[in-house]
Amino acid sequence: GENVEQHPSTLSVQEGDSAVIKCTYSDSASNYFPWYKQELGKRPQLIIDIRSNVGEKKDQRIAVTLNKTAKHFSLHITETQPEDSAVYFCAASKGGTYKYIFGTGTRLKVLA
Amino acid sequence: GAGVSQTPSNKVTEKGKYVELRCDPISGHTALYWYRQSLGQGPEFLIYFQGTGAADDSGLPNDRFFAVRPEGSVSTLKIQRTERGDSAVYLCASSPAAGGGETQYFGPGTRLLVL
Repeated sequence: GENVEQHPSTLSVQEGDSAVIKCTYSDSASNYFPWYKQELGKRPQLIIDIRSNVGEKKDQRIAVTLNKTAKHFSLHITETQPEDSAVYFCAASKGGTYKYIFGTGTRLKVLA
Repeated sequence: GAGVSQTPSNKVTEKGKYVELRCDPISGHTALYWYRQSLGQGPEFLIYFQGTGAADDSGLPNDRFFAVRPEGSVSTLKIQRTERGDSAVYLCASSPAAGGGETQYFGPGTRLLVL
């Protein structure tokens, strides 16, 4: 069935360093890949997304890359700050079904 | 404008009881989704509405779970004969239109605890 694997489950970095989170999806028909940030007890918030017709997208300190052949996509956060500490979820979606398949999440800790 | 809202924010019930969880989507959003998030896990899809009709209910775990959206706006998730395993955060999301590629905006969730 449809599946999204996400690694690592936890990630600790020093403030100012970069963080990378990787996801792999199983359904080759997936064409939309959002990333959500969720702080403790709060709603998931979209931070960046990418569609299958592009390989990379950047928004200030955040970037996402997509490799359709390998069926994996990654989130890159540069110059990390303590407020980046949260749980990050990747997801995959394909046209026609409308649902998101989420990864299991990565708990990012940025150490000051 | 106002985001997706959900009520109640917390619900404690006893095993075997019936509960209703409400979702108010962003005004004008035609698509509405319910997800369930267990501790330490990603949201898991339950059901999706396009307008008033359930377009995909493949994620509902069993027939104790039911959802409605009678006027194409507010939705209610109903759980009969609750079990302890139903304890989770129930998230609602809405998006402007159907189709893969439309961003889903999430509500704050209802934290359900079944004792």
